[in-house]
Amino acid sequence: DTAVSQTPKYLVTQMGNDKSIKCEQNLGHDTMYWYKQDSKKFLKIMFSYNNKELIINETVPNRFSPKSPDKAHLNLHINSLELGDSAVYFCASSQVTTEAFFGQGTRLTVV
Amino acid sequence: GQNIDQPTEMTATEGAIVQINCTYQTSGFNGLFWYQQHAGEAPTFLSYNVLDGLEEKGRFSSFLSRSKGYSYLLLKELQMKDSASYLCAARGYGQNFVFGPGTRLSVLP
Repeated sequence: DTAVSQTPKYLVTQMGNDKSIKCEQNLGHDTMYWYKQDSKKFLKIMFSYNNKELIINETVPNRFSPKSPDKAHLNLHINSLELGDSAVYFCASSQVTTEAFFGQGTRLTVV
Repeated sequence: GQNIDQPTEMTATEGAIVQINCTYQTSGFNGLFWYQQHAGEAPTFLSYNVLDGLEEKGRFSSFLSRSKGYSYLLLKELQMKDSASYLCAARGYGQNFVFGPGTRLSVLP
C-alpha cells in the first residue's frame, strides 16, 4: 500500500498549457508539501498545507496553485506552463513529530 | 534566513567509512533530518536528530550539535549501493523542511 502517491509519473506538455499533478497520502498526516527539484537536484519547498490551511507559500509564481479538497489530498495546478517549469515535482507529507514521506515524483517536461 | 550547506560531491571506497557534514541556519529548530536519494527516485528517510548527540541506525549514524548548527551523517562499511545523493534537511517553525543542496557520494570498488 503506497503511503504517498502522486500522478502522473511523467508529464510532457507544450508551453502555455495548463496541467495538474495529483497527490494523495494514506498516512493520516496533517501536513502535506510540494517540492520542486531542478536540474541541479536542489529540492526546494513550494507549498505546504496543514489541515487544509496554507501555512507556507514560498515565492513561487502565482501560475502555481495548490488545491486541497481534504487533508489526504494536495493537488498542484500549473497555468500557462513555461520552459523553466521543467523539473521533478515531489509531493510529501508529515506529522508534527515525524519525518517527511515523499511520493515517487512527477517529471514535468515543457517543450 | 534559512541556509543549509553541505559538500557537493564525495568519493569513498567500498568497505570504508565516510562522514558527510552539514551546517544549517534556520528560523527556529525542530530537528535535523538526513535523506538518501538514488538517481531518478524519491528521497527516503535515513536518520533524525532533535537533541545533541549521536543517533545510530545500523550502518548509518547521525550527529547533531545545535549550538554549532552542525550535523554529520556517518556511513560505515560502505557498499556500492550506497552511491547516491545524501540530503540534509533542517525543520524550522511551521513544519517546513529546508533541504541542503545534497552531497553526491560515489562508492568505488
